[in-house]
Parts: sequence; structure tokens; C-alpha cells
Amino acid sequence: SYVLTQPPSVSVAPGKTARITCGGNNIGSKSVHWYQQKPGQAPVLVIYYDSDRPSGIPERFSGSNSGNTATLTISRVEAGDEADYYCQVWDSSSDHRGVFGGGTKLTVL
Amino acid sequence: QVTLKESGPVLVKPTETLTLTCTVSGFSLSNARMGVSWIRQPPGKALEWLAHIFSNDEKSYSTSLKSRLTISKDTSKSQVVLTMTNMDPVDTATYYCARIPGTSSPMDVWGKGTTVTVSS
Repeated sequence: SYVLTQPPSVSVAPGKTARITCGGNNIGSKSVHWYQQKPGQAPVLVIYYDSDRPSGIPERFSGSNSGNTATLTISRVEAGDEADYYCQVWDSSSDHRGVFGGGTKLTVL
Repeated sequence: QVTLKESGPVLVKPTETLTLTCTVSGFSLSNARMGVSWIRQPPGKALEWLAHIFSNDEKSYSTSLKSRLTISKDTSKSQVVLTMTNMDPVDTATYYCARIPGTSSPMDVWGKGTTVTVSS
């Protein structure tokens, strides 16, 4: 089955840029979706189809996907961005099953 | 406004069968290529995708849990039901349902989740 690998944690100072990676075999050939989850809350979609932003998500959030790595980039990080972030794909080679990465805890220093 | 709401028992005993219901509003389960996924999250752990069902009744299940899961829908009631048999304490988790507006689409709207504890 398809595996997505994320770093367990990323730390960044306020105002700086955070980059959260999501590794997978030839992930560049798949569409990657990113979710933000704050403590005690349900996940919220922040990036879909690699780089599109839902309405209401700040432009500071962006995404890219190429080769074996997809990246969520958060510019001008704010304290309110501190959360867990998950990448997700659909595994079309396996009955279109959903796959989540292990999640990355973003800490704002 | 699109909403999803999970409901079900708070506590189940080991070996029992869990039945969860996702009631949706603001969209129809019969809309073309519309789907609903179930996802769970054990305390302090990552999200785990469980299953989905689409408007054409296409279904898919987690490989590791396939033998224990059944997903179904009642379009007239706007509900998606997930059953999980032979519950174990390791199945203690918050269970979420989420809308999928297309076969490769993101899970764009999530319910608030329902917490299920498995204990005797």
C-alpha cells in the first residue's frame, strides 16, 4: 500500500517561513491535499490539488508537488498557525483508498 | 451550508459491533460523484482513513480493517452508516465523517467527530 512520510515536527519563529514535506513514491503524479488540525478540533482543508487554496484560507498558505516530495509552505508564520498538518492522497492503484501522512506538529517559537 | 454530524455510542464493549451514523445537510448523497469518507484518530495519534462510499454506491475500505467494516448510505435520510465489528480497546478513537465532492477530490468539509471508547 502507498505510504506518505512526514517529519514529526517542524519549528519556526513568528514571521518566518515554515515548510512541511510529505514524501511518497512518485507523489508528483498524484494530487495532494493538506489539512490543518488544531487541538480538540476537526481537520480543516488548507490546500487541495497540490496548490489550490479553499476560500477563507490565507494566501500565506501554499503548496507544491514534484518528484517524490510534496511541500506545504506557510509564509509569515503566525502563532495561530501552530497545529498538526496532514497530507493526503487517493491511492488509485489500490481501489482508490485514502492515505494520510503521519502528521507534522508545527510549533511557533 | 454544508454540514456533517456523526452520531453513535460513546462506549462499547470489546467484541461488540459499533454502528456510527453520519447525517449530512446542505448537499445530497445522490449528487453525481458525491461521496462521504469515514476517518478515525486515536488519542494523540494520526488520522486514519477507514472507508468511503460514493453516490453510485462505489465503496472502498482500509486494507487493514476491510474484514471488519461495512459502509452504506440511505439517500432519503441523508445518512451514511459505518459498522465495525469485533471492537477492541485499540479502536478507541474520535471518528469523523467528511464530504468528498468527487472521486479524487479532497475531503472538503468535516464533521466535528464523535469519540468512541472501547472498554469492558
